[in-house]
Amino acid sequence: DTGVSQDPRHKITKRGQNVTFRCDPISEHNRLYWYRQTLGQGPEFLTYFQNEAQLEKSRLLSDRFSAERPKGSFSTLEIQRTEQGDSAMYLCASTRGGGTEAFFGQGTRLTVV
Amino acid sequence: DAKTTQPNSMESNEEEPVHLPCNHSTISGTDYIHWYRQLPSQGPEYVIHGLTSNVNNRMASLAIAEDRKSSTLILHRATLRDAAVYYCIRTSYDKVIFGPGTSLSVIP
Repeated sequence: DTGVSQDPRHKITKRGQNVTFRCDPISEHNRLYWYRQTLGQGPEFLTYFQNEAQLEKSRLLSDRFSAERPKGSFSTLEIQRTEQGDSAMYLCASTRGGGTEAFFGQGTRLTVV
Repeated sequence: DAKTTQPNSMESNEEEPVHLPCNHSTISGTDYIHWYRQLPSQGPEYVIHGLTSNVNNRMASLAIAEDRKSSTLILHRATLRDAAVYYCIRTSYDKVIFGPGTSLSVIP
């Protein structure tokens, strides 16, 4: 297992378009987290899953954002009708459970033009 | 709400020890203290975590105050590759929330 992988690494899109990112966690990890990070800031929590159940969503996750984790394996984060303010690094992390160490992917850098 | 406070930035000379402080005065009995670091253009990397006792691993040591209201990450010999943003996080069985962290510069 090579760790948490995210795809794509970079995405440039025009304002108004929809984008979807994928995260493949470490296989035995049942928790999966999504974060957003802008330049000079720490990662901001967006949402997390315990297996396939989405347990919490941040207020940052507007109606244009949706995340899924079918079958408790990989997860997708979709942003509809992208805006320039959505430009950021989107990070995914997985853990075996609450309180244990989190392993992060390299992130997907989104640029909305 | 990160619920921890750290200095914005610190400097260290190469080959010297570095002590990165963190205050978490409202920590509860079930909260762990985690440290992560983030190098430029990379995702955060786990460094160390603990609950009550001091912890050591190949990367660092974690000293936890007896009242658990503060902790210190210790890098025994700073190298240029240790230049990063270091995040102190308190987490129980819930989500991991990051604060702004401490930006560590290492001077050759």
